[in-house]
Amino acid sequence: GQQLNQSPQSMFIQEGEDVSMNCTSSSIFNTWLWYKQDPGEGPVLLIALYKAGELTSNGRLTAQFGITRKDSFLNISASIPSDVGIYFCAGQNSGGSNYKLTFGKGTLLTVNP
Amino acid sequence: GAGVSQSPSNKVTEKGKDVELRCDPISGHTALYWYRQSLGQGLEFLIYFQGNSAPDKSGLPSDRFSAERTGGSVSTLTIQRTQQEDSAVYLCASSPGPGDTDTQYFGPGTRLTVL
Repeated sequence: GQQLNQSPQSMFIQEGEDVSMNCTSSSIFNTWLWYKQDPGEGPVLLIALYKAGELTSNGRLTAQFGITRKDSFLNISASIPSDVGIYFCAGQNSGGSNYKLTFGKGTLLTVNP
Repeated sequence: GAGVSQSPSNKVTEKGKDVELRCDPISGHTALYWYRQSLGQGLEFLIYFQGNSAPDKSGLPSDRFSAERTGGSVSTLTIQRTQQEDSAVYLCASSPGPGDTDTQYFGPGTRLTVL
């Protein structure tokens, strides 16, 4: 099946620093999604990307849908302690099984105050 | 409004026992999904329900796993004769239904531990 490679696996940064994480796929997706998961909670959608080349911002978060449709990145600017959590990318295809999300393994972000 | 709820939040069971996990989707959402999250892994798709259509069971790892959705709302995921490798967080999600921007909203999950 489709595989998503998400990197880095973990990051330790100082408060105020910017952070970047990315996902690459062996095949094309029509939609890229970025989720954040806090301990004991389900993933919460941060940003959804629907068009190749699209660059979308949500506050301090910026994500881009790669032109090849096989990759996406997420940037967080001026990190704060509450940014701590696991960030997941997910790819989705249109068509008969467009509901299925394929997830990366996550990036664990730790922010030192 | 109320989000997706799941129960129990934690379940510890002995190997070989059956377990039932419950999901209450967001009211009005026609689509419901079950995922499994193992330690250090991403989410693995298990099963999908959409309205009255036949569910997509293609992600269920074995015939010990089954799920049903009664009345187009509440869903139950059943694992029979549990094994230690079944230990994971089981997440439920719901969405409004088919469409270009059909966002999935996740519940808090049920953490299953099989001893």
